[in-house]
Amino acid sequence: KAGVTQTPRYLIKTRGQQVTLSCSPISGHRSVSWYQQTPGQGLQFLFEYFSETQRNKGNFPGRFSGRQFSNSRSEMNVSTLELGDSALYLCASSQKIRQGVVSPLHFGNGTRLTVT
Amino acid sequence: AQKITQTQPGMFVQEKEAVTLDCTYDTSDQSYGLFWYKQPSSGEMIFLIYQGSYDEQNATEGRYSLNFQKARKSANLVISASQLGDSAMYFCAMRSDTGNQFYFGTGTSLTVIP
Repeated sequence: KAGVTQTPRYLIKTRGQQVTLSCSPISGHRSVSWYQQTPGQGLQFLFEYFSETQRNKGNFPGRFSGRQFSNSRSEMNVSTLELGDSALYLCASSQKIRQGVVSPLHFGNGTRLTVT
Repeated sequence: AQKITQTQPGMFVQEKEAVTLDCTYDTSDQSYGLFWYKQPSSGEMIFLIYQGSYDEQNATEGRYSLNFQKARKSANLVISASQLGDSAMYFCAMRSDTGNQFYFGTGTSLTVIP
């Protein structure tokens, strides 16, 4: 089974631009989550999508948005980029196994975004 | 609120020795899962091991075992027979059965010395 695929692996953008990151989950996984990882803040939750609906959202400004398609693929968009948006963006998918069992997140390799 | 605490920013271990990485958590939920992830310098987060809150036995996966002490709310990772390839960041995480979000600790950087 193929793992979680994130594209692109690396991105360099300038302040003010916008960026779209893509994530294809493991086949059969309907939940997709996004995380931002920086040396200073660690792993911070952005949002989670399940069956095309945003189920949960972290504490990020409205410049960060996402969506999920009917095939469970997800995109994350950041508008009006700031220098502080430079980070590793990780996408993860998971599946609900049964009540009482919390299934793990399976992560992609991440997209390393540099804003100059 | 749920919280994960990893108090060891960095750890060193001699090759072939065992090492324990500490993790404590805080939750009021009864049903939850605890996880450990490994992040090499390449960036990918690799799932290592899972422990359910109702599991009576400690989880094991190869050289990884999870020392689960529910009353103390701790979920320490034990790596036996350390290898050079074990050098990485290790993150402890938790998610309740009814929650929609994983909570991660700040991580422990493990260096295996030859």
